Amino acid sequence: QKEVEQNSGPLSVPEGAIASLNCTYSDRGSQSFFWYRQYSGKSPELIMFIYSNGDKEDGRFTAQLNKASQYVSLLIRDSQPSDSATYLCAVSDKFYFGSGTKLNVKP
Amino acid sequence: NAGVMQNPRHLVRRRGQEARLRCSPMKGHSHVYWYRQLPEEGLKFMVYLQKENIIDESGMPKERFSAEFPKEGPSILRIQQVVRGDSAAYFCASSANRDAQPQHFGDGTRLSIL
Repeated sequence: QKEVEQNSGPLSVPEGAIASLNCTYSDRGSQSFFWYRQYSGKSPELIMFIYSNGDKEDGRFTAQLNKASQYVSLLIRDSQPSDSATYLCAVSDKFYFGSGTKLNVKP
Repeated sequence: NAGVMQNPRHLVRRRGQEARLRCSPMKGHSHVYWYRQLPEEGLKFMVYLQKENIIDESGMPKERFSAEFPKEGPSILRIQQVVRGDSAAYFCASSANRDAQPQHFGDGTRLSIL
């Protein structure tokens, strides 16, 4: 079992819709979780992190964590074409990343 | 610029030559990670180093690849006798502590093998 798993997509949503990206992890001891965004041809950049169960909101982005079910998700509200990128999930004590979910936001 | 610095940005080598990629971590960071990324694929972990130590090299190919992070100077990823399949983007990242995340990435080195 991979330590961090994501649906590779692509996930296509219309502009203005909510995009939902999901990630599951195998190590119950993992404490904190990170979402990175990678535009094509660019390096990954950190956009969100979450430590506690529940929701964490930052602008149009909401990270959701459920440690009991071992999943973390990223919601993007009012999706924009500029959100089109690959989103990578990572856990605190692991330097492996999920394979990433490619998001396409259609105008 | 206090970010992660990688050079060169682009590197072209002929088959059989050596490629040497450099990475200076973010100021204050002592943990360095190297990743390889093929087009349309995810980040593949290669090696994790601290100053003068290789902590985890489980993602490094057994032959031709080596990495170091000397006491002074940048981290170096060295690929000897390059082959076409080595063509990829190589990213370096650094973190402040041993928790591995969050990581700050450099802009990457695009390696092309002729």
